Amino acid sequence: GAVVSQHPSRVICKSGTSVKIECRSLDFQATTMFWYRQFPKQSLMLMATSNEGSKATYEQGVEKDKFLINHASLTLSTLTVTSAHPEDSSFYICSARGTGGSGNTIYFGEGSWLTVV
Amino acid sequence: AQTVTQSQPEMSVQEAETVTLSCTYDTSESDYYLFWYKQPPSRQMILVIRQEAYKQQNATENRFSVNFQKAAKSFSLKISDSQLGDAAMYFCAYRSSDGGATNKLIFGTGTLLAVQP
Repeated sequence: GAVVSQHPSRVICKSGTSVKIECRSLDFQATTMFWYRQFPKQSLMLMATSNEGSKATYEQGVEKDKFLINHASLTLSTLTVTSAHPEDSSFYICSARGTGGSGNTIYFGEGSWLTVV
Repeated sequence: AQTVTQSQPEMSVQEAETVTLSCTYDTSESDYYLFWYKQPPSRQMILVIRQEAYKQQNATENRFSVNFQKAAKSFSLKISDSQLGDAAMYFCAYRSSDGGATNKLIFGTGTLLAVQP
């Protein structure tokens, strides 16, 4: 089946620095990728939708200047948390929508734990 | 706007028994997709089963089956012959069939399933 790879799986960064998380579709081209944040024991909260070659669409309340999303190719989207603070510590997970016959299914990466110290 | 409701925060089932997880949704659309995702402690989101709203036949995947009641806007998941590995958080999700910006997944709050040996 379709595979989405997310890297790094865990990252610790100092407060005030920036950290980048990558999301790659390994065996299909992803026209659309989604970035979620998940707090403990809660559901996934959609942060933004990125479409290859265009600007991301952010959900209400998500700071676009803080959470930079780039979707430069059909297989890679990146989320950069800029000037990270401890409250940004969370589990971030990406997903990708396939093309063609797999376009109706969304596949998820393994997720990334971000800890800001 | 579409909403997805999972009214059972936690469920428990004995190994080898059957359990049903409930999900209801609200939409004014006639064509859409419904999904059940499993999230084990690893946090990896795993697609369990998918249902197209235009199909009257309930989807099945091995021990997993759904009871899709379109008029009632209900989409329950039945797990037969429960196994210890089925223990996880289960999320019900809705996605519009519209190929535009509304193709994001809308998640319920999740049901934590415990499997007792």
